[in-house]
Amino acid sequence: GAVVSQHPSWVICKSGTSVKIECRSLDFQATTMFWYRQFPKQSLMLMATSNEGSKATYEQGVEKDKFLINHASLTLSTLTVTSAHPEDSSFYICSARDRRGTSVPEQYFGPGTRLTVT
Amino acid sequence: QKEVEQDPGPLSVPEGAIVSLNCTYSNSAFQYFMWYRQYSRKGPELLMYTYSSGNKEDGRFTAQVDKSSKYISLFIRDSQPSDSATYLCAMSVGGANSKLTFGKGITLSVRP
Repeated sequence: GAVVSQHPSWVICKSGTSVKIECRSLDFQATTMFWYRQFPKQSLMLMATSNEGSKATYEQGVEKDKFLINHASLTLSTLTVTSAHPEDSSFYICSARDRRGTSVPEQYFGPGTRLTVT
Repeated sequence: QKEVEQDPGPLSVPEGAIVSLNCTYSNSAFQYFMWYRQYSRKGPELLMYTYSSGNKEDGRFTAQVDKSSKYISLFIRDSQPSDSATYLCAMSVGGANSKLTFGKGITLSVRP
């Protein structure tokens, strides 16, 4: 149980184009999903928190107009990197909390998406 | 000072060794302490979590939390080559939408 998938697993795009990454909770409903980015040999940095049906909350320093997050259903959140540039190349990971969860802030992570912008 | 500091790595040990991984933190509001394991090019998976101070054991893994010292540890007994991965500590103040603050992670290699 508690499986989170991401698609695509890797993507290469040209500078200036936009890329959409999907995050799905496969066997549970997630009221809250989180988006992280991870640079090589670095920790996970939280980009934003999204709740189903409402606007995402972005962390300080994350451009909300560049990283568009949509959480349209209890099982799907999307991250769109708009006008991507080489410095956006990174490993993007989503996580989700089960809506039946307790006060324990357990998050189930997806396998990640490696984005390379050329 | 970062909110969560984790011992730098990498760490290489022979099979069967006892491994000790540690993190310190500065935010006294943290109540939940977690250890995640991440294999290369994969998402993290939760190993264990502890609420407040104390110890928790699960098989070969033991998590310890000392809130008075703001120090947490993960011990791995009888380490196996399959334990080779990056281990990240994470902490939270708790609550339904509470975010996790991660340490930098330490890469462990267990030599056969």
